Amino acid sequence: DGGITQSPKYLFRKEGQNVTLSCEQNLNHDAMYWYRQDPGQGLRLIYYSQIVNDFQKGDIAEGYSVSREKKESFPLTVTSAQKNPTAFYLCASSIGEGRAYNEQFFGPGTRLTVL
Amino acid sequence: QKEVEQDPGPLSVPEGAIVSLNCTYSNSAFQYFMWYRQYSRKGPELLMYTYSSGNKEDGRFTAQVDKSSKYISLFIRDSQPSDSATYLCAMRLTGYSTLTFGKGTMLLVSP
Repeated sequence: DGGITQSPKYLFRKEGQNVTLSCEQNLNHDAMYWYRQDPGQGLRLIYYSQIVNDFQKGDIAEGYSVSREKKESFPLTVTSAQKNPTAFYLCASSIGEGRAYNEQFFGPGTRLTVL
Repeated sequence: QKEVEQDPGPLSVPEGAIVSLNCTYSNSAFQYFMWYRQYSRKGPELLMYTYSSGNKEDGRFTAQVDKSSKYISLFIRDSQPSDSATYLCAMRLTGYSTLTFGKGTMLLVSP
């Protein structure tokens, strides 16, 4: 089955802790993305990567970090510097920039709650 | 002015109704337009993908783009309770991969 997996589904964090959210895809996509979704706010782009070992900040990158060491994997770390991290986090992938039909496909999401 | 405007709803309709969901946008350079369906606590699922102006039909769903008015629509015919979800519009520029999303419209279809 081709698709995008995110783990864990639910994550609880104490204030001051860093946590890492996992995102894996087996679609052979070049590009991967992280979004944050808050009630009534739609999807906001945190980071994206067009190719291995390269990534760019999105609209709300402060307090987050990413790595892209493998094509299939794009983990997101929510650091203690992120002041309001409780949200639903979505990972997506697409075939890559410059392609005509570069639609994004989403994973099931991780719900992060800060206690 | 926000780049993409979408009425948050909720939009409540009876089963079998024709549903019209809409987005307006301000950047006339957008060329690719998408509609995603998102069930509660799930990831968005791509429903329709269109390029430039015109209509695209897939089963009960029709996507319509009017670039002159900077207005896109999704029509759902013979709506079902299983269509109850939040519908997100998204769009992007040619040569770019990042999307700009609307905030989503919640649709409720009652049996």
